[in-house]
Amino acid sequence: AQKITQTQPGMFVQEKEAVTLDCTYDTSDQSYGLFWYKQPSSGEMIFLIYQGSYDEQNATEGRYSLNFQKARKSANLVISASQLGDSAMYFCAMKPIIQGAQKLVFGQGTRLTINP
Amino acid sequence: DTGVSQDPRHKITKRGQNVTFRCDPISEHNRLYWYRQTLGQGPEFLTYFQNEAQLEKSRLLSDRFSAERPKGSFSTLEIQRTEQGDSAMYLCASSSETGSREKLFFGSGTQLSVL
Repeated sequence: AQKITQTQPGMFVQEKEAVTLDCTYDTSDQSYGLFWYKQPSSGEMIFLIYQGSYDEQNATEGRYSLNFQKARKSANLVISASQLGDSAMYFCAMKPIIQGAQKLVFGQGTRLTINP
Repeated sequence: DTGVSQDPRHKITKRGQNVTFRCDPISEHNRLYWYRQTLGQGPEFLTYFQNEAQLEKSRLLSDRFSAERPKGSFSTLEIQRTEQGDSAMYLCASSSETGSREKLFFGSGTQLSVL
């Protein structure tokens, strides 16, 4: 079974600052994928970034980067130069890389608020 | 590309009533998922379709829940004899990819309140 833990219920950051959202995970699978999704107040989840457990380099997508530390089982999301539109719920998720594995397991989320 | 559409956005019902939700995925997406999200929690997987075939169901999906995707296009999720514990946001997602990097496109959800 997989488990995702996000220990920060809420984060408050000044606009243009960088912010790190924490995510730790637990799994017995050898290969797995880690995801971050953003959920604005409108409700739809928006894919941000993906990291494979076998990827040697940390993933980056524009202002988003993933600080992946496999030995610590952490996959923190870093948002550089935060913007007001970044205010939302952020969810870390994972799924094993095995035949037939389809479901994502999500953490409980972190609410990020960007202050002007 | 109009995105994933869910209807209704909100549903209020009395305990014991049946409710049905509809999801229209992105048109070329053959994979469709249902998730449930309660307040303050992340989404939990309910079920998955590839085309019209329902390939996986969570243990969360009791006998009162049924999902269909009759022609491999839109999907419906029905809850019979609703209970207060069914109150949640029901999210639909679709994708056209397979493999570990599969990116899901979510709808805005149906918020169910059972009184």
